[in-house]
Amino acid sequence: AQRVTQPEKLLSVFKGAPVELKCNYSYSGSPELFWYVQYSRQRLQLLLRHISRESIKGFTADLNKGETSFHLKKPFAQEEDSAMYYCALSGRGSYIPTFGRGTSLIVHP
Amino acid sequence: DTEVTQTPKHLVMGMTNKKSLKCEQHMGHRAMYWYKQKAKKPPELMFVYSYEKLSINESVPSRFSPECPNSSLLNLHLHALQPEDSALYLCASSQEMNSYGYTFGSGTRLTVV
Repeated sequence: AQRVTQPEKLLSVFKGAPVELKCNYSYSGSPELFWYVQYSRQRLQLLLRHISRESIKGFTADLNKGETSFHLKKPFAQEEDSAMYYCALSGRGSYIPTFGRGTSLIVHP
Repeated sequence: DTEVTQTPKHLVMGMTNKKSLKCEQHMGHRAMYWYKQKAKKPPELMFVYSYEKLSINESVPSRFSPECPNSSLLNLHLHALQPEDSALYLCASSQEMNSYGYTFGSGTRLTVV
């Protein structure tokens, strides 16, 4: 079975502070990990995926197989980063992603 | 065109009504999905269509009836819904049923009264 855990329901930081949104997963095979973002009243968007090792809007995420984690990081948070962030996992056996419960990020001015 | 378009954006319906939600994409994606999302919760998978055939039904009540008339269009027919069915209904698509990430529509916010 595949499971995604986002331990923080809410993360509140000030503008310019570093941000780390935690994601841990449970999967027996080789997982594909994603981060999706949902800004207020906007559609759910793919932010980044581990396979492409890219940086989007200053966010990065590294897959750590030893710790089974895929934390999302940004060195300096901006107010426009305030949104709901979902970590998701797909497995080679079932490509349908399992979503974590989401972390609401609030960046204060 | 790199979008998934959903109509209507908002829908209010009575428990005896019949209505339909529509989803359209012109990216050549062959997998399309319906999700239900309650406030501040992750999306919950309802149905998956692959090459216009229903591949997955996540034990959704029969008052929700999906339809895929062609590779660009996905409908969700609603009948005799309950107030607890009120939610944001999201459509998504992907190239195939693979793990390269989905493109989501902006959703239909459904209220059942």
